[in-house]
Amino acid sequence: QSALTQPPSVSGSPGQSVTISCTGTSSDVGSYNRVSWYQQPPGTAPKLMIYEVSNRPSGVPDRFSGSKSGNTASLTISGLQAEDEADYYCSSYTSSSTLRFGGGTKLTVL
Amino acid sequence: EVQLVESGGVVVQPGGSLRLSCAASGFTFDDYTMHWVRQAPGKGLEWVSLISWDGGSTYYADSVKGRFTISRDNSKNSLYLQMNSLRTEDTALYYCAKDLWFRELSKLEFDYWGQGTLVTVSS
Repeated sequence: QSALTQPPSVSGSPGQSVTISCTGTSSDVGSYNRVSWYQQPPGTAPKLMIYEVSNRPSGVPDRFSGSKSGNTASLTISGLQAEDEADYYCSSYTSSSTLRFGGGTKLTVL
Repeated sequence: EVQLVESGGVVVQPGGSLRLSCAASGFTFDDYTMHWVRQAPGKGLEWVSLISWDGGSTYYADSVKGRFTISRDNSKNSLYLQMNSLRTEDTALYYCAKDLWFRELSKLEFDYWGQGTLVTVSS
């Protein structure tokens, strides 16, 4: 199974907004609202930031939001802060009852 | 506090076998599906396998199907991954992860992760 498609890198200045896309197929992202986003700073385990496309776990700032249209999901981070610098991964449940991750996007805060 | 602590990662030769363990605490272990996820050095995340809360259902990524076996012992709050016929491409940090949802098999969203155990397959 190939990975979901994410841009390798995005960047933004403090206070700006950035959006990371995650493109799959009709067998995963397009068919299920089971898209999650994870944040992984260097040398640490991933942290759940968004689940079921647009829901935030408790403790995740409301600067993080998720959405989906067709086969593409998106993570938007508004009011960028230096602490947001990390790798971000999307994931989606698939019609094979398995999980696909995206290839990951490195967010740089300029 | 939820804790997941992986162990068992070592250097092993191609074709060899290894068993990873994950000790869980801080939640009712037998109410949640558990997962293994791996990350090759400098690469992205790859889901490996899941096992249902009661051990009755298991699923695997195509890349490990037929070589890896996931299991759990609810009496010991422990998750395992038996890895056979290891290949160099199995070299990775292996994470144990807890499913977010109570007794759910079809969402695969993870709210807690361990720190990982490193498996190196090399001659």
